[in-house]
Amino acid sequence: EVQLVESGGGLVQPGGSLRLSCAASGFTFSSYEMNWVRQAPGKGLEWVSYISSSGSTIYYADSVKGRFTISRDNAKNSLYLQMNSLRAEDTAVYYCARVLLGPGLWNAFDYWGQGTLVTVSS
Amino acid sequence: EIVLTQSPGTLSLSPGERATLSCRASQSVSSSYLAWYQQKPGQAPRLLIYGASSRATGIPDRFSGSGSGTDFTLTISRLEPEDFAVYYCQQYGSSPRWTFGQGTKVEIK
Repeated sequence: EVQLVESGGGLVQPGGSLRLSCAASGFTFSSYEMNWVRQAPGKGLEWVSYISSSGSTIYYADSVKGRFTISRDNAKNSLYLQMNSLRAEDTAVYYCARVLLGPGLWNAFDYWGQGTLVTVSS
Repeated sequence: EIVLTQSPGTLSLSPGERATLSCRASQSVSSSYLAWYQQKPGQAPRLLIYGASSRATGIPDRFSGSGSGTDFTLTISRLEPEDFAVYYCQQYGSSPRWTFGQGTKVEIK
């Protein structure tokens, strides 16, 4: 069974840092591209960052570029998001999500974790 | 940046009725890159449709997707009690790589 389990969320002051983790199991993690997606309280979904299966290709949303860093450790089946210079508007549930693998380049997200809440407040 | 606009914002229907949800893109989107998700309160989103019309694994056939270019539709042929939720469309593009619509809430009438 595919499982993605996020951790590392919590309350942090503006300007602070947090590191989120996503532990993957039930599939060959090193074969899959991964993403972080966030959802502010009562709001819609916002894509945050992407990393290729090898880690060689990375993309960020403009809203987090220069502040957040995505990484992965395929040996540990883990995905990470280092978040620095946090702002109140970064408050959200952060989900890790797997990119659907198949013969087509669909770029849809077929499995999601349960999310971890990050609250940026003084 | 491609903006996805979903309509209506809220759809009030009864179980057994047909639901038709719209997703309009500000520029043409490749059908391969259009997906639909369902999200229930307190839960993560669930992939329903990818490639505009392909059902994801385990998704009942009452869910169907269609459309091309700038206009895409998610249809739920007969609403079951568990289908009342928020639905998002998503596209993959150049910058930002992925964008979501603002969501359509399907609520019980």
